[in-house]
Amino acid sequence: DIQMTQSPSSVSASVGDRVTITCRASRDINTWVAWYQQKPGKAPKLLIYAASSLQSGVPSRFSGSGSGTDFTLTISSLQPEDFATYYCQEGNIFPYTFGQGTKVEVK
Amino acid sequence: QVQLQESGPGLVKPSETLSLTCSVLGGSVSSGSFYWSWIRQPPGKGLEWIGFIYSNGGTKYNPSLKSRLTISVDTSKNHFFLKLSSMTAADTAVYYCARGDLTVADDWGQGTLVTVSS
Repeated sequence: DIQMTQSPSSVSASVGDRVTITCRASRDINTWVAWYQQKPGKAPKLLIYAASSLQSGVPSRFSGSGSGTDFTLTISSLQPEDFATYYCQEGNIFPYTFGQGTKVEVK
Repeated sequence: QVQLQESGPGLVKPSETLSLTCSVLGGSVSSGSFYWSWIRQPPGKGLEWIGFIYSNGGTKYNPSLKSRLTISVDTSKNHFFLKLSSMTAADTAVYYCARGDLTVADDWGQGTLVTVSS
């Protein structure tokens, strides 16, 4: 299985901050990466697919980049509703695996 | 907008078989190029992709679960199903059904907590 290593595991931030989360794959996965947001007690929500494509309806403050083994999710200006846990997911080789998650907390 | 809803027992005894149903509204399990997935999340932990079934009935299973797992579909009821045998405490999790393309899950059910305990 491909291992997806996310960092940091948590980040404390304030509204308006720029937040960057990284994910490293254990092997080259081209651009087969997705990012999800999960709030407590809720199902994950797809934000980004194919490393940098914004899912329909997702605010443009979310962006993704990267290819190969290194990927980044950026929130350009953190909003109150963005405090949540974020997961990366590889879609190159099944079983698709997820990163361990990054919790974005209030500073 | 498709809606997915999981249903099944909240409590399963060790060694028993878990059976879950995902009811699909606003979309057909037999049309389009969609993959219908099961994904689980142990309490307080990360996500694990269990497997999926394609609209033509083809399946793909996580090798770690393959010997215990069956995913099937009933097109007449617009449902798809998960059966996981020989349940243990390690299988305690929130189980989600989801729809997506081959590589991502776009739309998710709300999830159902399954606890394995005697």
